[in-house]
Amino acid sequence: EAQVTQNPRYLITVTGKKLTVTCSQNMNHEYMSWYRQDPGLGLRQIYYSMNVEVTDKGDVPEGYKVSRKEKRNFPLILESPSPNQTSLYFCATSPGGGPSSYNEQFFGPGTRLTVL
Amino acid sequence: QQQVKQSPQSLIVQKGGISIINCAYENTAFDYFPWYQQFPGKGPALLIAIRPDVSEKKEGRFTISFNKSAKQFSLHIMDSQPGDSATYFCAASRRRDDKIIFGKGTRLHILP
Repeated sequence: EAQVTQNPRYLITVTGKKLTVTCSQNMNHEYMSWYRQDPGLGLRQIYYSMNVEVTDKGDVPEGYKVSRKEKRNFPLILESPSPNQTSLYFCATSPGGGPSSYNEQFFGPGTRLTVL
Repeated sequence: QQQVKQSPQSLIVQKGGISIINCAYENTAFDYFPWYQQFPGKGPALLIAIRPDVSEKKEGRFTISFNKSAKQFSLHIMDSQPGDSATYFCAASRRRDDKIIFGKGTRLHILP
């Protein structure tokens, strides 16, 4: 079954404690992306990757890091989380050139993060 | 230049009615306009999408109308059903720099 998995699904942490949210896909998609969803602000892109070892900033990259060492995995790293990073996070994947090449994005189930 | 403005924020429609959600953009470099549907507790999923070389695209009860000169596009849901109750996001992307920008979303509730 084609799917995008995220772990953990829920996380409560404290300010400054490094954390990683994993994203994995089994569809052999080149494009992967991270979004955060906040009430009244919609979906905002954090980082995206067109392929292995290629990453680019989205609209809200501050406070986040990513890496793309393998095609199937795209972890999101918060090295020193702060309360303003409390949000619902989604990983998404897309074949070929990504959404800008008229491709559908497939979203994971989301990770709800609370930073105290 | 980067924004996609979506309205209304929330919408209540009677079962069988027409739901209309509007989006406007500023950057004429955008060349792909998808709509995503999100149910509570789930990730968004592609509903329908249009390119600017056509003015309308219909898939079942869902239609996108696109007005290139006004830089506006809208989603029409005909014969709205309670199962259509969800949050809808419009988006715009451009090939030049692989960017995609989402609207802020519309929470749609269809009354049974």
